[in-house]
Amino acid sequence: AQSVTQPDIHITVSEGASLELRCNYSYGATPYLFWYVQSPGQGLQLLLKYFSGDTLVQGIKGFEAEFKRSQSSFNLRKPSVHWSDAAEYFCAVGEGSSYKLIFGSGTRLLVRP
Amino acid sequence: GAVVSQHPSWVICKSGTSVKIECRSLDFQATTMFWYRQFPKQSLMLMATSNEGSKATYEQGVEKDKFLINHASLTLSTLTVTSAHPEDSSFYICSARKDFSYEQYFGPGTRLTVT
Repeated sequence: AQSVTQPDIHITVSEGASLELRCNYSYGATPYLFWYVQSPGQGLQLLLKYFSGDTLVQGIKGFEAEFKRSQSSFNLRKPSVHWSDAAEYFCAVGEGSSYKLIFGSGTRLLVRP
Repeated sequence: GAVVSQHPSWVICKSGTSVKIECRSLDFQATTMFWYRQFPKQSLMLMATSNEGSKATYEQGVEKDKFLINHASLTLSTLTVTSAHPEDSSFYICSARKDFSYEQYFGPGTRLTVT
């Protein structure tokens, strides 16, 4: 069965510092991968997605992610974090023909001023 | 484009009553809508998948008689929590997807508190 692991529950970075959030997936075929962000009490907003092609994917708000098949990873990066980036980040993989999304447990990002 | 709304954004109800939550795709037709439940500081748990005009498919462990889902049109799905109890208090989020697409567009969520 497909699964998604986000090993970091919390990450704290200083404003202006770089960021990398880890995501590992388990899936037999080429996965459809997503990163979503959730601000407190809000729904989810799509940051970026990978379906095929170039393994480095650019998203909104200056985020990017790199698909590495050999490592079964899809880590999210941002070169310079802003205070407004503080939120919960979820990695997800699309599950077969059901079109369901399997979510990781999430990583809460805290930004130090 | 691809906006999903939910109504209400928050609701308080008394134990034993039923409450209905609406999910609408405002600018596209949704082939499939999904309902999730999220407990504080936890991930999203998929409750059910609904396709327009057919019965919802519930995930294992979700009581279909308690969480009634109706997907009457390509732009509207409703979740009714029947005979609500305090343990049903949670954040309920819906999403919708377009045809031939994996991408889901999420509503802002509905916070349900059962007293």
